[in-house]
Amino acid sequence: AQSVTQLDSQVPVFEEAPVELRCNYSSSVSVYLFWYVQYPNQGLQLLLKYLSGSTLVKGINGFEAEFNKSQTSFHLRKPSVHISDTAEYFCAVNGLTGGGNKLTFGTGTQLKVEL
Amino acid sequence: DVKVTQSSRYLVKRTGEKVFLECVQDMDHENMFWYRQDPGLGLRLIYFSYDVKMKEKGDIPEGYSVSREKKERFSLILESASTNQTSMYLCASSLTGDQPQHFGDGTRLSIL
Repeated sequence: AQSVTQLDSQVPVFEEAPVELRCNYSSSVSVYLFWYVQYPNQGLQLLLKYLSGSTLVKGINGFEAEFNKSQTSFHLRKPSVHISDTAEYFCAVNGLTGGGNKLTFGTGTQLKVEL
Repeated sequence: DVKVTQSSRYLVKRTGEKVFLECVQDMDHENMFWYRQDPGLGLRLIYFSYDVKMKEKGDIPEGYSVSREKKERFSLILESASTNQTSMYLCASSLTGDQPQHFGDGTRLSIL
């Protein structure tokens, strides 16, 4: 079985400040990792993904994440946030078992950027 | 760009009704998925499908069924709607296991 923990349900931050959204996962097999963003009244959009190779992954809108296998983490970071980054962010893991590409999602982190 | 289209953005139905939620993707993806999203619970997988006429239960299949008669279309069926099925429903598709899932805009379903 696999699971994802997003410890912070809400993260308030001022505009132009850096932000880190935490994600820890649990899996007994190798994994693919994803971050998605959801703006109000919309579906989820892919921010970035880790499949293999470099542990530092860059995504859209200036976001990046680092895969840390020993700590089973995949934290999302942005050095300077903008008001438009206000949204809900979901971390997801795909354990590479015979079950195919079933994603397990975390419960989400609401990022609120304030002036 | 991949387009996943859900037939309704908002839907209001009554307890006991049979409800159909439709999802269509335009990129010839093998895999399709139905999730429900509830505050504080994230996304939970209801059913998924690897191919036409093929379906597998996700984590919360009770009270739901699905149909995939054509590759591009995946339907979610609430056999007898109940108030605890009031939720946001999201459809997604993907090409293979190492490719991201692409999501529709969701259907906000209210059961009265």
